[in-house]
Amino acid sequence: ILNVEQSPQSLHVQEGDSTNFTCSFPSSNFYALHWYRWETAKSPEALFVMTLNGDEKKKGQISATLNTKEGYSYLYIKGSQPEDSATYLCAPRRDNYGQNFVFGPGTRLSVLP
Amino acid sequence: DTAVSQTPKYLVTQMGNDKSIKCEQNLGHDTMYWYKQDSKKFLKIMFSYNNKELIINETVPNRFSPKSPDKAHLNLHINSLELGDSAVYFCASSQGVGTFNSPLHFGNGTRLTVT
Repeated sequence: ILNVEQSPQSLHVQEGDSTNFTCSFPSSNFYALHWYRWETAKSPEALFVMTLNGDEKKKGQISATLNTKEGYSYLYIKGSQPEDSATYLCAPRRDNYGQNFVFGPGTRLSVLP
Repeated sequence: DTAVSQTPKYLVTQMGNDKSIKCEQNLGHDTMYWYKQDSKKFLKIMFSYNNKELIINETVPNRFSPKSPDKAHLNLHINSLELGDSAVYFCASSQGVGTFNSPLHFGNGTRLTVT
C-alpha cells in the first residue's frame, strides 16, 4: 500500500490568515499529483493536477507547488476565508492507467470568522 | 447533466442482506473507481476498473464485488452485509489511460447503514 502523508492533520486559522500544508509521497514511478478539496457532506472536488517537477498551479487564492525528485507538494492558501474550510486531500498517480489513486489522510482546515 | 451519479443516496439494511449501489458516469471516461470513507473519514480505494482490467485492493473482503455492464457503469455488490460495512461509499471516474492530468470526478456518495 502506497504511503502518502499529509501534514498537519488539522489546522485552525483566523479569517485573513495565510496557511500552507504538505503532501509527501514516494518519488518513484511518478506520473502526477492531484489535490482535492472536500467539504463536509459533499464529495471531493479536484483543485489541481500537476505532472512536472517544479510545477506551480494557482486557482484564486489557492496555489500549489510540486517537487517530484524529493516527493512532496505544498498547498498554499492566501488570505483564508471561512468558505475555504474543508479537508484538503492529495493523491499521487503512479501508473500509466490511472488505476492506483491512493489518497493521503488529508489536512482538515477550519477558518474562523 | 450530472457527471457521476450514484444511487441510492442512503441505504439502510439489515445484517446478512445482499445489496447493490449503482454508479453511472456520462463523461466518457475509461476508468471508474469505488472508494470507501472509513471510520476515520479517510478515503480508501476499493476497486478500479478500466473495462479491460479490474484492480482490487487486497484488503477488501470478497463479499464486495464490482460489476461493469458497460464502460459508463460500475456497480458495487455487497453480499452478507456486516455491521462494519456501514460507511459512505463514493464512486469516481477519470480518463485513465495515457492522460496523466485527468482528475477524478466523484459521485455524491452513498451512506450505507447496516443494522
